[in-house]
Parts: sequence; structure tokens; C-alpha cells
Amino acid sequence: GQQLNQSPQSMFIQEGEDVSMNCTSSSIFNTWLWYKQDPGEGPVLLIALYKAGELTSNGRLTAQFGITRKDSFLNISASIPSDVGIYFCAGLASTASKLTFGTGTRLQVTL
Amino acid sequence: ETGVTQSPTHLIKTRGQQVTLRCSSQSGHNTVSWYQQALGQGPQFIFQYYREEENGRGNFPPRFSGLQFPNYSSELNVNALELDDSALYLCASSPTLWQGRDEQYFGPGTRLTVT
Repeated sequence: GQQLNQSPQSMFIQEGEDVSMNCTSSSIFNTWLWYKQDPGEGPVLLIALYKAGELTSNGRLTAQFGITRKDSFLNISASIPSDVGIYFCAGLASTASKLTFGTGTRLQVTL
Repeated sequence: ETGVTQSPTHLIKTRGQQVTLRCSSQSGHNTVSWYQQALGQGPQFIFQYYREEENGRGNFPPRFSGLQFPNYSSELNVNALELDDSALYLCASSPTLWQGRDEQYFGPGTRLTVT
């Protein structure tokens, strides 16, 4: 099945650094969602974006809905050890319940 | 803690067998969606149920079927298991007809291994 392209595939950063990751699609979406998944758990919603060009923050996290509606970006500022996990983008077309996930970005943080 | 539970946690089946996975949503959650997550990949949408009716389906064959019950529980049934069906199966629930506007809450998943 289709999966959105996320990059980077994995990141190894130091505590306190800022992190950027992005997600691209060949299809247009009307909703972009960003999730975090920890081992042994299901994904947890971090940020939801509903409008092209929208920039939304949730604490240290900031996400943007790309103007072309085919991409989205997530930034994490001042990373801390609990940011470790896998981050997934997901897109939703206008009338469908079918949520399409990205391939994931694995984040590892060192002290 | 999302209030969504899944059972069993793990199970092992043989190719060709049938399996039933269960999900229990929060009371009042009328939408349940099921996803398949292969190792190292993102979840893939299987189907969604709203008030006991199928309301959307991904690119999965008919041997994947589901049921949703009035008590906010649901099942995913897979017939004629194949090796590629080995994956983590996630259910997610939300209070309304989920189309992205409110949050859907994921369970911890059932890890299925087909040998």
C-alpha cells in the first residue's frame, strides 16, 4: 500500500539540539497529522493541521502544512531524552476515512 | 492511557489458519479503525466501522473482515493467513464519525506472527 516518504529515516542527536523532519506525498491531502509511537504502544497524536500554509505549535513541537498540500514538516526544539521514539506523519484526503501514514523517522537522543 | 485495549497481546498462527483479534474502545466511541503495521513501517489502514457499519476500506483483500458491536467492542478477522500477514495490528477509536477533525485513540496493538 501507499506510504508517504519521510526523511530522515533516523536521527541521532544530542540533548538540547533542535530537530527537523519532513514528509512528502505524491497526492494532495486536506489534513496532516503527526504522531509519536513508543515501543509496545500505539501512535499518539502530537499535532493536527487542517489548512495549507498553517503553522501550529504544541509546546516544543511546531508543524507546518505545506502550501502545495503535498508535504508537511515537524520541528522539535531543545530535544530531551523522552523525545526518543518513532515519529510518523499521516495524511487524510477530503472525503475519505483512509489515513495514509509515512514511513517514520526514528529519533534517538543522547545526553 | 488511551482507554483502548486489545487482545491478545501476542499470538502465533500457522499459514492457512484463521485469526480473530479484539479491540475494546471507550464507552461512547462510535468509530473504530483497524491498521496493519509491518515491522519497520508505518501503519496501513485496513478499514473503519461507524455504528456497526463499514465506512471505508483500504487496499486489503476480502479475507480481512471486521465487526463492530453495540458495546463498543470490535473484531478483526483474517482468513487463510499468509506469512505476509505477520504484523502489529492496531485499532483506534473516536467518539464521532472520524474524518480527521477529532482525535482517534490507538490501542497498544496485537502482534501476530504467521509461521
